[in-house]
Amino acid sequence: DTAVSQTPKYLVTQMGNDKSIKCEQNLGHDTMYWYKQDSKKFLKIMFSYNNKELIINETVPNRFSPKSPDKAHLNLHINSLELGDSAVYFCASKSYSGGTGELFFGEGSRLTVL
Amino acid sequence: SQQGEEDPQALSIQEGENATMNCSYKTSINNLQWYRQNSGRGLVHLILIRSNEREKHSGRLRVTLDTSKKSSSLLITASRAADTASYFCATAPNRDDKIIFGKGTRLHILP
Repeated sequence: DTAVSQTPKYLVTQMGNDKSIKCEQNLGHDTMYWYKQDSKKFLKIMFSYNNKELIINETVPNRFSPKSPDKAHLNLHINSLELGDSAVYFCASKSYSGGTGELFFGEGSRLTVL
Repeated sequence: SQQGEEDPQALSIQEGENATMNCSYKTSINNLQWYRQNSGRGLVHLILIRSNEREKHSGRLRVTLDTSKKSSSLLITASRAADTASYFCATAPNRDDKIIFGKGTRLHILP
């Protein structure tokens, strides 16, 4: 079984549309993240949740709204998509808050905004 | 804000040679991690070194940490074609949950 799974893997859409990316982890972790990787491979932290509670929100436009229905799931909804939102979005999870745990990443969701 | 900077940005070496990548960071840390990313894939954790450790080994990987210089190095010995990937260092500078990545080093192993 895949430890951290994201859907969809690829997403192509028009500017102005709204889209969602889903993430699920079966590792029993309580901390989950969204990262954005741009075309230059720079990986930027966006959000982090610990046991369904938002703990990190990194200067992300409010068009991006994360939702964590339970500690195994962290979804990302993006409203009014813009060209600059094109990137690969990675979900990750960690065993416990405290910074001493390794991150487990999903395979990424490549978003292309036309 | 970015915490880590890897150096070099890109590295090409012959198979069998050793590859060394460096990472510099700005603030105090509890630990530093190295990750590998194969093309089109997610990142995979390689090794974690704590701030009170100076060197750590895992198979063909050797990581050093110099907290006085705020730098770390990753050495891959006897490189193989399968080592071709991007390598990132990651730190948690201010709060333990905020793990920040550098820009990465793209390593290419030539046959």
